[in-house]
Amino acid sequence: GAGVSQSPSNKVTEKGKDVELRCDPISGHTALYWYRQSLGQGLEFLIYFQGNSAPDKSGLPSDRFSAERTGGSVSTLTIQRTQQEDSAVYLCASSLVRAGNTIYFGEGSWLTVV
Amino acid sequence: AQKITQTQPGMFVQEKEAVTLDCTYDTSDQSYGLFWYKQPSSGEMIFLIYQGSYDEQNATEGRYSLNFQKARKSANLVISASQLGDSAMYFCAMREPSTGNQFYFGTGTSLTVIP
Repeated sequence: GAGVSQSPSNKVTEKGKDVELRCDPISGHTALYWYRQSLGQGLEFLIYFQGNSAPDKSGLPSDRFSAERTGGSVSTLTIQRTQQEDSAVYLCASSLVRAGNTIYFGEGSWLTVV
Repeated sequence: AQKITQTQPGMFVQEKEAVTLDCTYDTSDQSYGLFWYKQPSSGEMIFLIYQGSYDEQNATEGRYSLNFQKARKSANLVISASQLGDSAMYFCAMREPSTGNQFYFGTGTSLTVIP
């Protein structure tokens, strides 16, 4: 597809389980971002990839969170031992890497931890 | 220090009136980009308008314009002739090369258009 694709769109998981969220960026976009948004709140930055490397991991809230990107394309955000406070929308975005390039968002993965 | 500051958590505007949403930013870069996004209740993030730091004219896109005051480091969004469909969260964002073209977002302003 032409846009950023995220899966699953909705995920309900039990507390303590691991989850994987996938992001397929726009073809050719070297920059990839993960954000988290709780209901009615702003965007919380998680991690930023340029190609396969992550120059900025500062937003990952704990060591239960990790992300990787392979082949400069698809990225996976993994949350281990999920907690209820992890419930949020996880948004992925991609862009070309220049100051003037905007980023394009996927529709998000809605995670609910019960 | 916050890279992007949006001081208005919520705003109300009468339909057909104009409204200004405030945004200030912090950067030492000479070249940077400023962006505004709209997020309706459906949750999608919609790109509205872009202003480059070297652009001398304020950016405009239809009813949206960006009031860029470089010396004051402000990039306010002006929506003219508000419509009910403009009710949404609005996020200001900045991209700067010195941090690897990281994208920084403000906390957002919730706009409600009153009929």
